[in-house]
Amino acid sequence: EAQVTQNPRYLITVTGKKLTVTCSQNMNHEYMSWYRQDPGLGLRQIYYSMNVEVTDKGDVPEGYKVSRKEKRNFPLILESPSPNQTSLYFCASSTGLAGDTGELFFGEGSRLTVL
Amino acid sequence: GNSVTQMEGPVTLSEEAFLTINCTYTATGYPSLFWYVQYPGEGLQLLLKATKADDKGSNKGFEATYRKETTSFHLEKGSVQVSDSAVYFCALMRATGTYKYIFGTGTRLKVLA
Repeated sequence: EAQVTQNPRYLITVTGKKLTVTCSQNMNHEYMSWYRQDPGLGLRQIYYSMNVEVTDKGDVPEGYKVSRKEKRNFPLILESPSPNQTSLYFCASSTGLAGDTGELFFGEGSRLTVL
Repeated sequence: GNSVTQMEGPVTLSEEAFLTINCTYTATGYPSLFWYVQYPGEGLQLLLKATKADDKGSNKGFEATYRKETTSFHLEKGSVQVSDSAVYFCALMRATGTYKYIFGTGTRLKVLA
């Protein structure tokens, strides 16, 4: 089954304790991206990656890091989480091929609470 | 810059009512337009899409037409069901060198039996 898998689905942590949210896709997609969803703000892009070792900032990258060492994985790293990073996070992927219409496939989301 | 504006919710309708959720966009060039739906506790999934002016996307009874003259992509359904209760996101995608997606803020729909 084609899917995007995120872990953990739920996490409560404390300020400053480094954490990683993993994302893996099994569709051989070139493009992967992270979003955060906040009430009244919709989805905002954090980082995206067009291919292995190619990453770029989205609209709200501050406080986050990413890496793309393998095509299927795109982890989101919070080096020193703060309460304003409490949010619902989504990973998404797409073929990224030229001419493709760009449908995004989303994971089920990771709800993060930073105390 | 590119942006998407959609009507604020929540929208509450009775079953079998007609649904319209407005979406307008600003973008240079010719973006692709999408409606995504998010059911409770789930990620977003594609509902429909249109890639050029006057295209009509349709799926599960929902429709939206890409109107370049009014820069709009309104979502409609003739008869909603309780199972349509969800949050609906309008989005555009610009593929100019790198993919850039812009999402609206989402509209929550609640359908009452």
